[in-house]
Amino acid sequence: GAGVSQSPSNKVTEKGKDVELRCDPISGHTALYWYRQSLGQGLEFLIYFQGNSAPDKSGLPSDRFSAERTGGSVSTLTIQRTQQEDSAVYLCASRKDGRNTGELFFGEGSRLTVL
Amino acid sequence: GQNIDQPTEMTATEGAIVQINCTYQTSGFNGLFWYQQHAGEAPTFLSYNVLDGLEEKGRFSSFLSRSKGYSYLLLKELQMKDSASYLCAVVNTGGFKTIFGAGTRLFVKA
Repeated sequence: GAGVSQSPSNKVTEKGKDVELRCDPISGHTALYWYRQSLGQGLEFLIYFQGNSAPDKSGLPSDRFSAERTGGSVSTLTIQRTQQEDSAVYLCASRKDGRNTGELFFGEGSRLTVL
Repeated sequence: GQNIDQPTEMTATEGAIVQINCTYQTSGFNGLFWYQQHAGEAPTFLSYNVLDGLEEKGRFSSFLSRSKGYSYLLLKELQMKDSASYLCAVVNTGGFKTIFGAGTRLFVKA
C-alpha cells in the first residue's frame, strides 16, 4: 500500500477482554516495529520484526502481549486479559530494510481504551 | 542500559531560532534520528546523523557528537506550525532496534 495502515483506529474494550491490533506495512518493507505511546509520553519500544529473523521481543511489557507477522507482511499485536494501564496509542512502523539508515514510516496508530 | 534524555518542554517565539538537545547512553550506536510529531498524528522523519557534524536541511539542522553522546536539532525562522513534539531516536548495534526518547514539546508563540 501507499502507507502504513493500522486497524482499528479506535478500540474501546472492557478490562479482561482480549484485543487484536493489525498493521499492514508499506509493500516491500522488510522491517516492522510496534511501539506504544501513552498520553503525553514518548514511544515505548515493544517488538521488532526483520525479514525471516526471529523477532526482538525485548520490549513486550508482559506475557499478555504477543505479536506475529505472517508471510513477512501483515502483523498482529495481541493483548490478552487487557488492563486499564494498557490504554495507549499503539503505533506500527515499517522500514524498507534492516539497515539502520532507513527512516521509519509510521501508521496513524490504534488508540486503545480499556474501561 | 539505554537512556535518552531530552527537555520535556520548550517555548520559543515565531521567527526565532531554537535548539533542542538530546543526550544518549545506549548499548552501541548505529545512528540517530529526529522525528516530528504533531498532536494526534504519527511521527514523521526529520533527519538522520551517523557521523559527527552538522546536517542541514532547509530550516532544520541536526548535529551529532558521538564521543559526547550528544545531538541537537536546530530550528530556524520558527513558524507556528512548528509547534509539535520532537523525538530523538537512537539505533543500537546488533538488532538495529530504534529507541526513542520521551520527546520535547515545542510551543511557538506569536
